[in-house]
Amino acid sequence: ILNVEQSPQSLHVQEGDSTNFTCSFPSSNFYALHWYRWETAKSPEALFVMTLNGDEKKKGRISATLNTKEGYSYLYIKGSQPEDSATYLCAPGTASKLTFGTGTRLQVTL
Amino acid sequence: ETGVTQTPRHLVMGMTNKKSLKCEQHLGHNAMYWYKQSAKKPLELMFVYNFKEQTENNSVPSRFSPECPNSSHLFLHLHTLQPEDSALYLCASSQDPYPVGGGSTGELFFGEGSRLTVL
Repeated sequence: ILNVEQSPQSLHVQEGDSTNFTCSFPSSNFYALHWYRWETAKSPEALFVMTLNGDEKKKGRISATLNTKEGYSYLYIKGSQPEDSATYLCAPGTASKLTFGTGTRLQVTL
Repeated sequence: ETGVTQTPRHLVMGMTNKKSLKCEQHLGHNAMYWYKQSAKKPLELMFVYNFKEQTENNSVPSRFSPECPNSSHLFLHLHTLQPEDSALYLCASSQDPYPVGGGSTGELFFGEGSRLTVL
């Protein structure tokens, strides 16, 4: 069982602020790292699936980087908007078995 | 709309009841999953089915019984549950659990969950 840590647990920013979160995981036996966004009363939605050390992915104002050797991934949000308010989950995994972190809860206010 | 539908969305049951949760995916995926989220805990994998065959049982108590009659449908049969089983149960599907050589990204498509309360 992987030990996945996400920090911070929660974050409150103003609209327009840029922010980032961290996902830490054991670096051995790495296969892939998933990021999901989970809005209240909705289903978790995949943002990125990353497999290569040094990988960088971007979707609009959200981007992610991956360092498999040291066991961490960063998620960045540029110019936060209220609609970015959600819990962001990371999940490293092998084969079909993902281990989810407890998430970072982001609140963006006007 | 993710293409994964779960029913019921809310369920209240007594400890002696038998009930079932249903999941249906319209994405043509081969793998389906049950996850559990208890309060203040991370999503926890319960079961994985790949091409209707169970490939993962994450030490789940036998009072939870999964059934996968075809690649589009997944059930979780519940009986003699305990109050501590109250949680959000999420179903997910994926194209293929990590095929070698690329193709599918392996991302999960989740339903909105079934909120279970055991009295």
